[in-house]
Amino acid sequence: DVKVTQSSRYLVKRTGEKVFLECVQDMDHENMFWYRQDPGLGLRLIYFSYDVKMKEKGDIPEGYSVSREKKERFSLILESASTNQTSMYLCASSSLGTGSDNYGYTFGSGTRLTVV
Amino acid sequence: AQSVSQHNHHVILSEAASLELGCNYSYGGTVNLFWYVQYPGQHLQLLLKYFSGDPLVKGIKGFEAEFIKSKFSFNLRKPSVQWSDTAEYFCAVNPINAGNMLTFGGGTRLMVKP
Repeated sequence: DVKVTQSSRYLVKRTGEKVFLECVQDMDHENMFWYRQDPGLGLRLIYFSYDVKMKEKGDIPEGYSVSREKKERFSLILESASTNQTSMYLCASSSLGTGSDNYGYTFGSGTRLTVV
Repeated sequence: AQSVSQHNHHVILSEAASLELGCNYSYGGTVNLFWYVQYPGQHLQLLLKYFSGDPLVKGIKGFEAEFIKSKFSFNLRKPSVQWSDTAEYFCAVNPINAGNMLTFGGGTRLMVKP
């Protein structure tokens, strides 16, 4: 069974802390993504990566950075956590296939981060 | 910029009622289309997808969706919902020239009353 694993299900951090959210996939997928999910706003893309050491900004990258040192691991970093970063964070991965090979994304279970 | 609109944010139905959730997108080129479902406390799962061919796509758990190119729509339907269909549903669009990038709609939260 293929998996995307996020290291923490719930996190509570203080304002100003540096926060690391970890994501690991075991499907040898090239692409990995970080989204945040907020009620009424759906899923908004923060950053994505097509390859090791490669990263691209998504729609809402401000206040975040990422790291992809190994193909299977994609980390999201909040440099200085703020209360408006309280959210559900979802990691996803996908292969490079197109057309019928494109099975969409496989998602992790999410990390609910609360910044106090 | 392309966008995906789900017009119904909250839908409440009784069991056995029919369901239709709207999804419209703004991209003018060829697209792949997806519906994802997120059951309470669970991760997002693929419900169904459209790439080409028959515009009526059948997915898991009795769901289907119809791609109407002229209306830029990909509405999700189920003839008779069950309490276990209570979940949040997301439409997503992948333009074929955008690699594997998906743009998601805002989601529709469905509650089915037993």
